[in-house]
Amino acid sequence: NAGVMQNPRHLVRRRGQEARLRCSPMKGHSHVYWYRQLPEEGLKFMVYLQKENIIDESGMPKERFSAEFPKEGPSILRIQQVVRGDSAAYFCASSLRRGTDTQYFGPGTRLTVL
Amino acid sequence: AQSVTQLGSHVSVSEGALVLLRCNYSSSVPPYLFWYVQYPNQGLQLLLKYTSAATLVKGINGFEAEFKKSETSFHLTKPSAHMSDAAEYFCAVSVNTDKLIFGTGTRLQVFP
Repeated sequence: NAGVMQNPRHLVRRRGQEARLRCSPMKGHSHVYWYRQLPEEGLKFMVYLQKENIIDESGMPKERFSAEFPKEGPSILRIQQVVRGDSAAYFCASSLRRGTDTQYFGPGTRLTVL
Repeated sequence: AQSVTQLGSHVSVSEGALVLLRCNYSSSVPPYLFWYVQYPNQGLQLLLKYTSAATLVKGINGFEAEFKKSETSFHLTKPSAHMSDAAEYFCAVSVNTDKLIFGTGTRLQVFP
């Protein structure tokens, strides 16, 4: 049973470009969470999605960031017009049920903005 | 609001020594508590979780943690450290929500 898949593992963008991060949850999981880890810090919640719905986006920056989880295909975290402060590791997690069910994490995408 | 405090951003032990990583939480209602481990350039792996059943929780790789409500603590221990335990450890809390609130992490070093 494959775990949570994320790609790319490493992404380099210049300031002003767009970054697209992909996450495929574990088989059978329909709940996806995105977290951001800044250097030397813990993970910070960004957004929680179910298929075709955003349930909680309280941790998402108000501008430039968006997320989706379509009926078919992976979840996408999109960052428009990236800035140096967006450089971080972005982790996706999935769970079988909502609430306090165990979240299983992917290997992360490390975004570097030049 | 919930929060997690991990005391000690770095902990060093000798191989074979006791490992103790501290975690205190703040929550107005009974929490769910988690310990995750992160190896360099990898994602987080669940070590163990507390979900209001037994207060002493046993996890993988010989780790365990005890939930102490009176002390609002959930410290992680292992009787005998192994070189392969060197990693970053994160404590997290969840209370009636779908998101995890993480501490800032503790980096464990194990010396031979």
